[in-house]
Parts: sequence; structure tokens; C-alpha cells
Amino acid sequence: ETGVTQSPTHLIKTRGQQVTLRCSSQSGHNTVSWYQQALGQGPQFIFQYYREEENGRGNFPPRFSGLQFPNYSSELNVNALELDDSALYLCASSSQGVNNSPLHFGNGTRLTVT
Amino acid sequence: DQQVKQNSPSLSVQEGRISILNCDYTNSMFDYFLWYKKYPAEGPTFLISISSIKDKNEDGRFTVFLNKSAKHLSLHIVPSQPGDSAVYFCAASARAGGTSYGKLTFGQGTILTVHP
Repeated sequence: ETGVTQSPTHLIKTRGQQVTLRCSSQSGHNTVSWYQQALGQGPQFIFQYYREEENGRGNFPPRFSGLQFPNYSSELNVNALELDDSALYLCASSSQGVNNSPLHFGNGTRLTVT
Repeated sequence: DQQVKQNSPSLSVQEGRISILNCDYTNSMFDYFLWYKKYPAEGPTFLISISSIKDKNEDGRFTVFLNKSAKHLSLHIVPSQPGDSAVYFCAASARAGGTSYGKLTFGQGTILTVHP
């Protein structure tokens, strides 16, 4: 069983730039969620994708957007980067429709905005 | 508005003893609760979960207790081992209705250190 994989592992960007983070979900999972974890905090829900559509969104501005592909992999795009976007970005997958299916997380992408 | 709170930033216990990690929540719509463990440079790893229809769930050395009236849950680790040293996150979701399975609300985490 292949777990959740994310790329790249680390990234440094300049304020105002755009970034794309990638995620391959665990085999058999049809739902992908993205989280932002700031230093010393718990992960915060950004949004979830199911059947290639956004299906739930947290308190993040529209410059955070995403895609889910037919193979259930996903991208997180962030436009007009701000210094506060520096964080660990976590992708998680699960099986929507399976009761009490927990989220399985990847190891994250560490984004630094300078 | 912190809907899930872990009020102890850190906990230190001796190997072989019990570790008790606590979590409080405010949203009465939460009906599914999970604990995750996180090592540095890794993503959170699922440990154990509990549905709101239960008050206890056990898996080996890990037991989660849920007190719905107090909106409180706890994770017991017995016996604690040095390899359990990590950050522990409590998380909650509102799964009734079958939507937003991927939306978890996390606490801030508790750093557990188990001394040999």
C-alpha cells in the first residue's frame, strides 16, 4: 500500500511569487485535504477535494486554490505569497463514504517565504 | 476561536508509567475524534479514534476516553516508552451528514517526553 507522498519537501520563495505544491494520495483513497501548520500550532484546514471538486473550505483567502486530478492526486496553488504563508503544508487523503476512515498525512512541504 | 484545545504544551513521564494527554472541545457538532502523533520532519500519524456513540476505545497500549457532557477527551498510554516521545495532536470533526470527511479541527499539540 503506497502512502501519501508530497513534493517538493522544501521550497524557498520570495514575497509576491506563486507556488504549486503536489500530493499523491494513498491508493484506494478518493478524498484529498490540505492543511497549513504554522510553527508551534496544530494543522489548519485549507480545503478538501472530492471527485475533482472543492468540497469544503477553511478560513483561507481565494489566493489559496487547488486541483484534484482523475487519479486523485492533487495540487495546492498559492498566489501572491506573503511572509505569513511560511509554514509546513500537509496533504492528507481518506476514503469519503467509508465510516470513520481516518486521514492519512504525507510528510509535508516546508515553504519559506522571504 | 479555538474549538479544540490542548491546554498542556508539554508532558514529561518516566518510562513504564502512564501518560495522560488531555483535550477539550467547544463545538457540540463534533462527533468523531482522533489522536495523531507527530515526529519532527514527518507528517502526523494516526493513532486512535473514537466516535461520539462510544465513551472508550482501546488499541494496545493506547486508550481514548470521551466525556461528551464535559466535552473532554483524553489519551492514555500505558506503559509509556521512550519511542512514544513526540508531539500529540487531538483532532475533531463533524461527520454527520457525510460531508467534509477531510475537515479536521486540531488542537495546538502536546509535546510528550518519555524518559528512560
